[in-house]
Amino acid sequence: GDSVTQMEGPVTLSEEACLTINCTYTATGYPSLFWYVQYPGEGLQLLLKATKADDKGSNKGFEATYRKETTSFHLEKGSVQVSDSAVYFCALILNTGTASKLTFGTGTRLQVTL
Amino acid sequence: KAGVTQTPRYLIKTRGQQVTLSCSPISGHRSVSWYQQTPGQGLQFLFEYFSETQRNKGNFPGRFSGRQFSNSRSEMNVSTLELGDSALYLCASRLGWGNSAKNIQYFGAGTRLSVL
Repeated sequence: GDSVTQMEGPVTLSEEACLTINCTYTATGYPSLFWYVQYPGEGLQLLLKATKADDKGSNKGFEATYRKETTSFHLEKGSVQVSDSAVYFCALILNTGTASKLTFGTGTRLQVTL
Repeated sequence: KAGVTQTPRYLIKTRGQQVTLSCSPISGHRSVSWYQQTPGQGLQFLFEYFSETQRNKGNFPGRFSGRQFSNSRSEMNVSTLELGDSALYLCASRLGWGNSAKNIQYFGAGTRLSVL
């Protein structure tokens, strides 16, 4: 079946440090890839997406590149802020006409300190 | 434009009871999916509805059911509640069904269900 593997957290960084959260996937077909973020007490917000190989998704200083050869979609940010503290989920959905299910990784908690 | 609205935000029930959760999608969105989030199992897909019909279903027992109304609003029902049903239940809406590359799912804030 389809699966997403994320690095274990929590990740603790000082403000302005560089962030990388690793994400790799296995899929039975050709997937679209996503990063969602969940702030405390809230639902999931779409952070960025990529729908085909070599696409780069970017938003709010975060970016991730769809690497088909390594089946990866690592999340990066050059300089994190305290407000980036949240749980980050990598997810995939198959690009078929009937696909409904987002398959999520286990989430990586990021804590940014002053 | 208003986002996905889930009600209620919090619920406390006892074992054996049943519960109904509600989801109003983004205006114009016709597809609604439900997910369960727990610390142990993470985020798991329950089902998706489009045009009042269930289109896909995850691996949950028959105690979990749902429906969709003609205005695209959806409800999820859990009967004979068990302690393990305690979770955050998230609803997501998207424009249509299929074409998942362009049909992004947008999530509500969730309903937190506690079963005592």
